[in-house]
Amino acid sequence: QKEVEQNSGPLSVPEGAIASLNCTYSDRGSQSFFWYRQYSGKSPELIMFIYSNGDKEDGRFTAQLNKASQYVSLLIRDSQPSDSATYLCAGDRGSTLGRLYFGRGTQLTVWP
Amino acid sequence: DAGVTQSPTHLIKTRGQQVTLRCSPKSGHDTVSWYQQALGQGPQFIFQYYEEEERQRGNFPDRFSGHQFPNYSSELNVNALLLGDSALYLCASSQTLGTHSSYNEQFFGPGTRLTVL
Repeated sequence: QKEVEQNSGPLSVPEGAIASLNCTYSDRGSQSFFWYRQYSGKSPELIMFIYSNGDKEDGRFTAQLNKASQYVSLLIRDSQPSDSATYLCAGDRGSTLGRLYFGRGTQLTVWP
Repeated sequence: DAGVTQSPTHLIKTRGQQVTLRCSPKSGHDTVSWYQQALGQGPQFIFQYYEEEERQRGNFPDRFSGHQFPNYSSELNVNALLLGDSALYLCASSQTLGTHSSYNEQFFGPGTRLTVL
């Protein structure tokens, strides 16, 4: 079982809709979780991180963490075509040394 | 404030050759991690350097080695290249925090695309 798993997608939503991206993890020792956005041919760009149960909002993005269910999600409100990218979920498995374990990513397409 | 930089951008090598990739971390960061990202996959951790030493290592063979310099910049060396080494190599920098912190934000550089023929 991989440490971090993402729904394989791809996910396609119309402009203005809410895009929901999901991720599960296997190591209960994991403390911090990160969502990265990666445009084709580019490097990952950090969108949000979360380490407390509940919701964390930043503009159009909301990260949700449920440690009991070992579940992390990212909601993108009012989706725009510029949000079209691959979204990577990563966890730290409890390490404080900066090693991250990534899922394989979910490809999101927002169509006009 | 300069972000993470990597060189070269692209590289083409043949099987059996050796390659060196370079990374300069974000200003104020002292820790450099290297990741390999194969096409369609998430990044996989290779190793991490802190205080000029390899602090932790992922599941990669000894053909992969590295170095960190006093200015915190780093190199990744791969010997005896295989076709399967073709990937995007990402450098991520971070700041090592106290043991009570669980915050591990990593900032990625633009990557080096390595193609092995």
